[in-house]
This record gives sequence, structure tokens and C-alpha cells, in this order.
Amino acid sequence: DIQMTQSPSSLSASVGDRVTITCRASHSITNYLNWYQQKPGKAPNVLIYGATSLSSGVSSRFSGSGSGTDFTLTISSLQPEDFATYYCQQSNSLPLTFGGGTKVEIK
Amino acid sequence: EVQLLESGGGLVQPGGSLRLSCAASGFPLSSFAMIWVRQAPGKGLEWVSALSSSGGNTFYADSVKGRFTISRDNSKNTLFLQMNSLRGEDTAVYYCANGRPYGTGWYGRSDYWGQGTLVTVSS
Repeated sequence: DIQMTQSPSSLSASVGDRVTITCRASHSITNYLNWYQQKPGKAPNVLIYGATSLSSGVSSRFSGSGSGTDFTLTISSLQPEDFATYYCQQSNSLPLTFGGGTKVEIK
Repeated sequence: EVQLLESGGGLVQPGGSLRLSCAASGFPLSSFAMIWVRQAPGKGLEWVSALSSSGGNTFYADSVKGRFTISRDNSKNTLFLQMNSLRGEDTAVYYCANGRPYGTGWYGRSDYWGQGTLVTVSS
């Protein structure tokens, strides 16, 4: 199984801050990496797929980078609606696996 | 409007069974691979099972293999998860979601999700 390790597990940031979340795969997943945002009591929402492609309707302040084993989600200027938990997911092989999540909180 | 609506969750005793349903509207379920993902209270996301778009291939996480069965009724446009021999560690919100491929992958990513249904396994 491919293990996905996210860091940090939580962070505090202010509105307007640039935020970076990293995700490392235990084996190469080429670019089969997705990022999801989840708010309390809600289903996840895909932000980035294929490591770098912005999902339809998602703000351009979200961006993704990386390939192979190391990936990054960047929020260029944090907005109030961005306070949530973020998960990476590999879709290179079964079992599909998620990172442990990064909770972004208000400083 | 695209919608996935789960139902069938509830309280069940250890060793019991439940069948979850995921009714789709706005698109044919058979056009996508479909998955079930669960989230234990206060925990992260865990993939549970997948069904290929053809319906001919099923896949399971080791934690549920032999106990859960995924299936689809095209006439009802509904996805199912039959859960048997339930355990306390199966307690979670269960989500159904689609798989939209990219590249050469069969699954890709999930851009349609249901609202989730809570399964509680407890005596």
C-alpha cells in the first residue's frame, strides 16, 4: 500500500497569509495526486487533481505542485472561507489512500 | 443538478448488518466508477470500496474485505454497500462519490459526493 504523509497536521494562520501544505507518498505516484478541502459536517470537495490541475469552480488562489513522491498545496492569500481541513489522496493504485489531514485554523 | 443522496445508516449491534444506498440524480451512475469512503468520528478519510464504471470489477479495503459488498442497480440509478459482520471500528460517516478519470487512471478524482450517512456499531 502507498502511505501518504501530510505535514503539518495543523497550522494557525491569518487572513491574507500564504499557506503551504506538503504531502509525501511512500512510493512514486507520478502525478496521481488530488487535494480535497473538507469543512465540518460536510463532504470533501476536490480542489486540485493530477497534482497541478485546478478543479472547476475552485479559486485560483489554490495551486498544486510536485510529482513522484513530493507534493505541495499552496493557498496564496488565505481567506476566511479557507479555514478547513485539507487532505491529499493518491489515485495511482489501490487501495486509494489519503493523507492524515491538515487543519487550517485562524490565528 | 447533480446529486448523490445516501441513506440506510443507523445504529446496529456488533455482528449485525446494514445496507447503505446512494441514489444518484442528474447523471447515470454507470458513466463513472463509484467509491465509498468513510470517516470515523474526529478522524480522517478512509477508502472502503470501489466499483468500476462497467460494474464488472469490485475492490475493497483489507479492513472490510469479505464483509462488505458493493453493487449497483442501473434501473434505479443507485449504488449500494451491503455491510455484514459489523464491528465497532466500522462506526463512521459513509460517503459515496464518483470517480472522474484523468490521464490513464481508471478512477482519477471524486468531484461528486453525497452528504454522508452515519453508521454506529454499538451494543
